[in-house]
Amino acid sequence: QKEVEQDPGPLSVPEGAIVSLNCTYSNSAFQYFMWYRQYSRKGPELLMYTYSSGNKEDGRFTAQVDKSSKYISLFIRDSQPSDSATYLCAMSPPLGQGAQKLVFGQGTRLTINP
Amino acid sequence: GAGVSQSPRYKVAKRGQDVALRCDPISGHVSLFWYQQALGQGPEFLTYFQNEAQLDKSGLPSDRFFAERPEGSVSTLKIQRTQQEDSAVYLCASSWGGGAGGYTFGSGTRLTVV
Repeated sequence: QKEVEQDPGPLSVPEGAIVSLNCTYSNSAFQYFMWYRQYSRKGPELLMYTYSSGNKEDGRFTAQVDKSSKYISLFIRDSQPSDSATYLCAMSPPLGQGAQKLVFGQGTRLTINP
Repeated sequence: GAGVSQSPRYKVAKRGQDVALRCDPISGHVSLFWYQQALGQGPEFLTYFQNEAQLDKSGLPSDRFFAERPEGSVSTLKIQRTQQEDSAVYLCASSWGGGAGGYTFGSGTRLTVV
């Protein structure tokens, strides 16, 4: 079993819909949680970065972390065709315990239809 | 430079051939990382440098893989006697410090071993 599980999709929704992307993980030591967006033939681009449990909002994006359930989510409001990409969750242990080594999910391929 | 630059963008190697992949990090970035991304998968950690010191090479799949960063800037990932299972995108990332996340990724080198 992988440390981080993510449904690969593909996920296809109409423009303007709210998108929910999720990951579960098994390593309770993870403290840092990230969402990356990856366009075709490009490297991952950091979208959201959170520490421990709670919510973080940035424009149309909201990241949620529930450490008790080992579950993280990314919500995209008012989705746009330009949001079509693969979304990767990533996480790492605390500083001093390998924080620099990110563990990624498989990625969810998202398509927003005009 | 403005971003992380990787070269070549594409490399086709015959099985058994040696290859060298180059990464130019963002100027001044102390930390440099290499990840391997197989088709349809999330990136997997290979190795980590802080300046010229290779602090973690636990993700290198075999002793055919070797990475260096002799002057604390440009890094090279070398793969000897390439095998078909080495076919993947090799991503380089850099950051200011050694903490978690916040990396800037390059667009990667797509290696195909035939």
